Amino acid sequence: KQEVTQIPAALSVPEGENLVLNCSFTDSAIYNLQWFRQDPGKGLTSLLLIQSSQREQTSGRLNASLDKSSGRSTLYIAASQPGDSATYLCAVAGDGAGSYQLTFGKGTKLSVIP
Amino acid sequence: ETGVTQTPRHLVMGMTNKKSLKCEQHLGHNAMYWYKQSAKKPLELMFVYSLEERVENNSVPSRFSPECPNSSHLFLHLHTLQPEDSALYLCASSQRRTGSAQPQHFGDGTRLSIL
Repeated sequence: KQEVTQIPAALSVPEGENLVLNCSFTDSAIYNLQWFRQDPGKGLTSLLLIQSSQREQTSGRLNASLDKSSGRSTLYIAASQPGDSATYLCAVAGDGAGSYQLTFGKGTKLSVIP
Repeated sequence: ETGVTQTPRHLVMGMTNKKSLKCEQHLGHNAMYWYKQSAKKPLELMFVYSLEERVENNSVPSRFSPECPNSSHLFLHLHTLQPEDSALYLCASSQRRTGSAQPQHFGDGTRLSIL
């Protein structure tokens, strides 16, 4: 059974810092990995999706990397802003017939201090 | 406008009540999902409707019953719920295509409280 772990559970940084969020998964047979953002009382917003054949994806100040063989992904946020404060969730899609079924980590709660 | 709309946003019900959660997607997707988000637990996939096929998590109790009348609408019927069922219920949709993965789009959820 796939398990996804996110470290740290919470992170507080001053505005302007670069930061890295970590995600690890136990079964490397994945179809893709996605990073989501969740604001309080809201649903999830998809940030980046990395196919299993890719190494990284970039969108603006966000860069996500994937090392499938070691079961790890990182989300790099450059020049953090207070508006980046949210919970960041990592999710993996299994290989094969269940490729659309996501397994989530518990998330990292990020606070960016002005 | 998220493209995925859930109603109601908040629901308080007793254990003997029957209620339904509604989800509607305006994105033309062909797959819809129900997730449960409890405090301090990862999001848990409950049900998937994809290309008229239903896939469910075998650990979901029978007091939760999904219905998908068409590709744009998804319901979750609730009856005789327990206090531990209090959670945020999220609906999502995506476009399933052979050979490529598409991101799931989420609604803002229904916050359910069982008295």
